[in-house]
Amino acid sequence: SAVISQKPSRDICQRGTSLTIQCQVDSQVTMMFWYRQQPGQSLTLIATANQGSEATYESGFVIDKFPISRPNLTFSTLTVSNMSPEDSSIYLCSVETKFPNTEAFFGQGTRLTVV
Amino acid sequence: GENVEQHPSTLSVQEGDSAVIKCTYSDSASNYFPWYKQELGKRPQLIIDIRSNVGEKKDQRIAVTLNKTAKHFSLHITETQPEDSAVYFCAASLLKNYGGATNKLIFGTGTLLAVQP
Repeated sequence: SAVISQKPSRDICQRGTSLTIQCQVDSQVTMMFWYRQQPGQSLTLIATANQGSEATYESGFVIDKFPISRPNLTFSTLTVSNMSPEDSSIYLCSVETKFPNTEAFFGQGTRLTVV
Repeated sequence: GENVEQHPSTLSVQEGDSAVIKCTYSDSASNYFPWYKQELGKRPQLIIDIRSNVGEKKDQRIAVTLNKTAKHFSLHITETQPEDSAVYFCAASLLKNYGGATNKLIFGTGTLLAVQP
């Protein structure tokens, strides 16, 4: 299993500012994933973060808006830049373990409200 | 890319009844299909998964079936209990056993299950 610590758990931010979300894993993992979950909606993958290389972004998400860092195999950050009320959402990081079984584990999420 | 559809969006059952949630996927290459349960305000947690080399898997009151030809899979919960009330998400992924692959999950839209006592 994997234990993921994500912070902050929630924040209220002014529009035009940026927020950096941190994700710490208790074991080394190759890939870390960042998802957005809007209220009452499903999880949408923002990007995949691989240590030592640039993150891979999904359609509709760009690096200028959601820069990601992955300095080592246990840590990643997602920044939500130049925020607007439309960015209000829950952001979750996730990792996948392969042994003994394939399973994705999620952080507890960051509930972001932009006012 | 992969697209996953999930039905129904809401499901209300009486305690003790069975609940069935269905998903379809578009990419025939997908070979891994997990189901996640998300209680209100909490993170998603894996409850069961199935790989494309099997047609059915059971774990106590929960079972998942897979029809590769039709590209759909279903979650079955028997003898439902109030604590089963949550949002359930299906997902699809392509698992690769060699390094460097991205096993990203594509999620369905979710089903809000309410078990009435």
